[in-house]
Amino acid sequence: DTAVSQTPKYLVTQMGNDKSIKCEQNLGHDTMYWYKQDSKKFLKIMFSYNNKELIINETVPNRFSPKSPDKAHLNLHINSLELGDSAVYFCASSPGTGLTSPLHFGNGTRLTVT
Amino acid sequence: AQSVTQPDIHITVSEGASLELRCNYSYGATPYLFWYVQSPGQGLQLLLKYFSGDTLVQGIKGFEAEFKRSQSSFNLRKPSVHWSDAAEYFCAVGARSGGYQKVTFGIGTKLQVIP
Repeated sequence: DTAVSQTPKYLVTQMGNDKSIKCEQNLGHDTMYWYKQDSKKFLKIMFSYNNKELIINETVPNRFSPKSPDKAHLNLHINSLELGDSAVYFCASSPGTGLTSPLHFGNGTRLTVT
Repeated sequence: AQSVTQPDIHITVSEGASLELRCNYSYGATPYLFWYVQSPGQGLQLLLKYFSGDTLVQGIKGFEAEFKRSQSSFNLRKPSVHWSDAAEYFCAVGARSGGYQKVTFGIGTKLQVIP
């Protein structure tokens, strides 16, 4: 059983389109995250939710809107896609919000904007 | 704000040789330190972590890391590298942000293993 699963694995779309990435975790964790990994492999946090409540919102354009319908799901919707949005997006979860809670990552969604 | 520096972008070692990947951190308080590994096309997997106590920590797959406060370092080591260890390795530091965890990653070190 996949612990943190993301769909789709690959996403190719044109500039200006709107797209969504879905994430589900079956670990029973309370906290979920979205990370963006750019072409140089730099990994940066975008959002974090704890029990469906937004707790971390880094400096991300408001074209990006996360939604957590329940604590097992965290989706990412992106409006008006731009070339610079091309990256690998990772969903992650952790048992809690404390610093001793390790992150469990999904396998990533490679987004290519043309 | 916390930060992580991984000085080596790319390292090549021979199979069976020892390995040390360097990591330096910057954080004003007691750091929470992690090493993650990313295989091609995969997400990151936790190798080991340091929170307190013994400064030499053991992880999965035969890896260990040593926390040295005086050098602000948390280097990852393995005595004998296997071909399957070829991957990208990320050092990370955890810090509180508004009472919640925020993990900051280094830019990663790509490990190549030659037969």
